[in-house]
Amino acid sequence: DTGVSQNPRHKITKRGQNVTFRCDPISEHNRLYWYRQTLGQGPEFLTYFQNEAQLEKSRLLSDRFSAERPKGSFSTLEIQRTEQGDSAMYLCASSAGGELFFGEGSRLTVL
Amino acid sequence: KNEVEQSPQNLTAQEGEFITINCSYSVGISALHWLQQHPGGGIVSLFMLSSGKKKHGRLIATINIQEKHSSLHITASHPRDSAVYICAPWGSFGNEKLTFGTGTRLTIIP
Repeated sequence: DTGVSQNPRHKITKRGQNVTFRCDPISEHNRLYWYRQTLGQGPEFLTYFQNEAQLEKSRLLSDRFSAERPKGSFSTLEIQRTEQGDSAMYLCASSAGGELFFGEGSRLTVL
Repeated sequence: KNEVEQSPQNLTAQEGEFITINCSYSVGISALHWLQQHPGGGIVSLFMLSSGKKKHGRLIATINIQEKHSSLHITASHPRDSAVYICAPWGSFGNEKLTFGTGTRLTIIP
């Protein structure tokens, strides 16, 4: 197992476009978390899944953000009608209830 | 008030010094993670603990569940320890959200 994988690693888009990020967790990890991190700041919680169920979504997220984990394995995070304020590193982490593993992140730049 | 508070926010020390980073939280938890993030790097989990104390090399983490407090200690600090250290409590059963602390930026000067 190669750890938590995130794609794409870097996405540059124009304001108003939609973007989608994918996270492949470690096999059999039932918990999957999405976080957002801006430069010089700590990670902010976005949402998390227990298997395919999305258990909590941050109030920070507007309706433009949606996340899915359809089969309880990989997850996608979609941002619609991107804004410059969405520029950040989007981090994914997974766990089986014990140790936590983070992906390298997907950096979004909105021009 | 944040659910998780860390202190200090920034710490600069000389190589070899003993380092302590503190974390206080207000939520009920099942466990707590200490995480490390090097500048421009990814996040690595150092410890997960739910009681007592754990040691890994020069790093020691302690937690007092009753007092809702955890500490991370680094003995014989080294410049390569320079990073941001984050405590992240794991919510209690049924609410396993991972909440991040504010982070402590540690700089070790040779």
